[in-house]
Parts: sequence; C-alpha cells; structure tokens
Amino acid sequence: DAGITQSPRYKITETGRQVTLMCHQTWSHSYMFWYRQDLGHGLRLIYYSAAADITDKGEVPDGYVVSRSKTENFPLTLESATRSQTSVYFCASSRGADRAGNTIYFGEGSWLTVV
Amino acid sequence: AQKVTQAQTEISVVEKEDVTLDCVYETRDTTYYLFWYKQPPSGELVFLIRRNSFDEQNEISGRYSWNFQKSTSSFNFTITASQVVDSAVYFCALNGGSQGNLIFGKGTKLSVKP
Repeated sequence: DAGITQSPRYKITETGRQVTLMCHQTWSHSYMFWYRQDLGHGLRLIYYSAAADITDKGEVPDGYVVSRSKTENFPLTLESATRSQTSVYFCASSRGADRAGNTIYFGEGSWLTVV
Repeated sequence: AQKVTQAQTEISVVEKEDVTLDCVYETRDTTYYLFWYKQPPSGELVFLIRRNSFDEQNEISGRYSWNFQKSTSSFNFTITASQVVDSAVYFCALNGGSQGNLIFGKGTKLSVKP
C-alpha cells in the first residue's frame, strides 16, 4: 500500500546545479501534479499531467521541467537551481477520469534547499 | 477567477474548546468541489473531506463537522472538543477547473494547548 512516494525527501544543492525530484504512485491514477509550498503563498501548482506523455503548465512553471513516460512516474527537474526555488515540493495524483472533483492525494513532500 | 480565502492565519485554543476554521471561496463555475486538508507538524498533507456544489448538507465525522453554505460561498470546518493532536495547518481548497487541480487557501495554523 505504497500510494505516492517522493524521493529524495530532503536535498541541499548549490545554485546552478540540476536537481530531479522523483515521484512514483502505485494507484494507476491518470492525473499527477507537482505543487510547491512556500510561506505566505500556500500551495501553488507547478505542472500537471493528465496521462502518460501529456503534461501542461500550472501557475508557476518557470525554471522547471517535467516528463511522464510512464503512468506511475512524474519526475520534476530544476534545470539550473536558484535560491528562489528553495521550497517544499509535493507530488500528488488523482483518478481524474472526469478531472474536476476527483480527490487529489499527496506524497509526503520533498524539502529542497538551494544554497 | 477562482479564489479561496482563509482569513484566520493562526488560531490558538485550549484543549476541549470548540474551534471553527473559516473558508470563503469564489468561483463562476456552477459545478465545483470543495476540500479540506490537514498538514500536521510532520509535513504531509492529509485529505479530510470533499463536498460537491450540489450537496449542501452538513457533514459530521466524529469530532469534525463541516458547514457548506452556497449563499455565502463558505465551507467552514468545526472541531468539537479539540485535542492536542488536532494541532496542524488546515487548508481549504477548491476544484472546479478543467485542469483538475486544486486552488488552495493559504491555510490556518491551529494550535491546541493542553
């Protein structure tokens, strides 16, 4: 009963480095999401995916890249990390057959610090 | 545009007190869904409840209850006889768009003191 697992859970990296946050779900959910959580901003959507090979931008996509070659995996890459990307990142998924209204379930979060 | 407002940034109560967390939303959709999530100090986001726009019945689950009122665009959350384990940040969220994602309020931090 793994649900959604994120790795790494904690990461410190240097400015300019590439970082990939991994997300794996075992429910075969169609929809997957990446959110970031920052003090004063709450949770904001970075990217989402409706199915394998289908991705789209959310509210704050700049500086991030995603891919979804398999239904169960949705990695998030920071191509050149900046201090402003220091945040807590949450991966999430939903059954999403009819999109709106499906409950979204979250992973445990990945704490990323860019120094 | 869709928006969720949680006006209470922080609330502090003493154990066994009742507490209500407010949530006001804005949407032009006629069909939408509202959610509450709990984020305990350990950091994960835990789903609590989902309510669709056609169902205005109040929901009760143990010490938790939710009051949905379309007339005031509110979806308030009450904890009865609060306990220390209820200490967390609580998020209200709205889902009504074609993306299927959630629009979150900024959260209310609840501290329950023994």
